Amino acid sequence: GDSVTQMEGPVTLSEEAFLTINCTYTATGYPSLFWYVQYPGEGLQLLLKATKADDKGSNKGFEATYRKETTSFHLEKGSVQVSDSAVYFCVSLELGGFKTIFGAGTRLFVKA
Amino acid sequence: NAGVTQTPKFRVLKTGQSMTLLCAQDMNHEYMYWYRQDPGMGLRLIHYSVGEGTTAKGEVPDGYNVSRLKKQNFLLGLESAAPSQTSVYFCASSPGGRTEAFFGQGTRLTVV
Repeated sequence: GDSVTQMEGPVTLSEEAFLTINCTYTATGYPSLFWYVQYPGEGLQLLLKATKADDKGSNKGFEATYRKETTSFHLEKGSVQVSDSAVYFCVSLELGGFKTIFGAGTRLFVKA
Repeated sequence: NAGVTQTPKFRVLKTGQSMTLLCAQDMNHEYMYWYRQDPGMGLRLIHYSVGEGTTAKGEVPDGYNVSRLKKQNFLLGLESAAPSQTSVYFCASSPGGRTEAFFGQGTRLTVV
């Protein structure tokens, strides 16, 4: 069945370090892909999205490119801040529009 | 600018008690969802609705019931709470298609 696999955490980085969180998906169709962020004690917020191959989603310095050939949607940021400490979820949404598959989440800690 | 509102935010139940979680959205979205979040498991879909008066089972529906009598509200019921239902519950809504879902702030439920 459809699935989303993202790198296990926690990931601990120093401020201004480069961030990559890997995400790969399996799907029978052609899903939309999202990254959500969850700050402590809060709900999930959309960080960025891509709806077709080679689309690049970007927001707040984060970006991810929809790679159909490698079925990947890796999250990157060039210089992380302490305020980026959160849990990040990679998510796929099937073409039909309601079957949403979540990755297990990756916790990021950024040290000052 | 409320978005998706969940009530209550916290609740402690005794085993065997019942309760209802309320989700309300003011974005006129057709689709609504209930998820549970457990450590290391991402979010798992309990039930969902694709329109007023409709409901369907998700990945982990056992022990829960739902109703969507009004388009803006989606209720999640626990008839006889069990310790295994201790979790954080999230409601979400979306307009459908390839667009993202919007999440509430969550309800932390503890069953003792």
